Amino acid sequence: GAGVSQTPSNKVTEKGKYVELRCDPISGHTALYWYRQSLGQGPEFLIYFQGTGAADDSGLPNDRFFAVRPEGSVSTLKIQRTERGDSAVYLCASSPGTSGINEQFFGPGTRLTVL
Amino acid sequence: AQSVTQPDIHITVSEGASLELRCNYSYGATPYLFWYVQSPGQGLQLLLKYFSGDTLVQGIKGFEAEFKRSQSSFNLRKPSVHWSDAAEYFCAVGAGYGGATNKLIFGTGTLLAVQP
Repeated sequence: GAGVSQTPSNKVTEKGKYVELRCDPISGHTALYWYRQSLGQGPEFLIYFQGTGAADDSGLPNDRFFAVRPEGSVSTLKIQRTERGDSAVYLCASSPGTSGINEQFFGPGTRLTVL
Repeated sequence: AQSVTQPDIHITVSEGASLELRCNYSYGATPYLFWYVQSPGQGLQLLLKYFSGDTLVQGIKGFEAEFKRSQSSFNLRKPSVHWSDAAEYFCAVGAGYGGATNKLIFGTGTLLAVQP
């Protein structure tokens, strides 16, 4: 079956611009996660959705970052007034739900470069 | 606070040799532990996981890991490395929220190179 997909695979933007990154989770997965992976680092948690609601957004670095999941499926990570420090690979993952412990399935990521 | 330490940034082994990648964690409760592998241009793939029970867990591609509570460790092993194992390996701990595991806390990764 189809895995987690992310678009675009690469995004180059200029400092100060607004960007949107999209994640399509595995069909039927109710939990969705966003992580950010900077060069030479492990992924860092940004936000977790259970259904349509953000259950934990403690990893969002500041109010320039926002994410939505209006219908409980596709999610969009939005970054306003991008800064060069936002350059990283943004990873999305999904899992079946909250009952028990579930493996997270990762997408290939979106590489964001802010010039 | 929860954290994961992977002391080895880069390891080189010869093909056919054994491998051990180290992982130490800091977590107040019983940890949920994972090893992921990331190949260039690929997403993170789960190798194995530990939730409870037998402390020696088997994973895909011939990998295994042993949970040692007394050492706060979850080291990854493979008896004979193949050239295709060259990749970056991440250890992670599941940080529960409301009793359910959700966000993962990752180590900084170990980059494995395999010599012919």
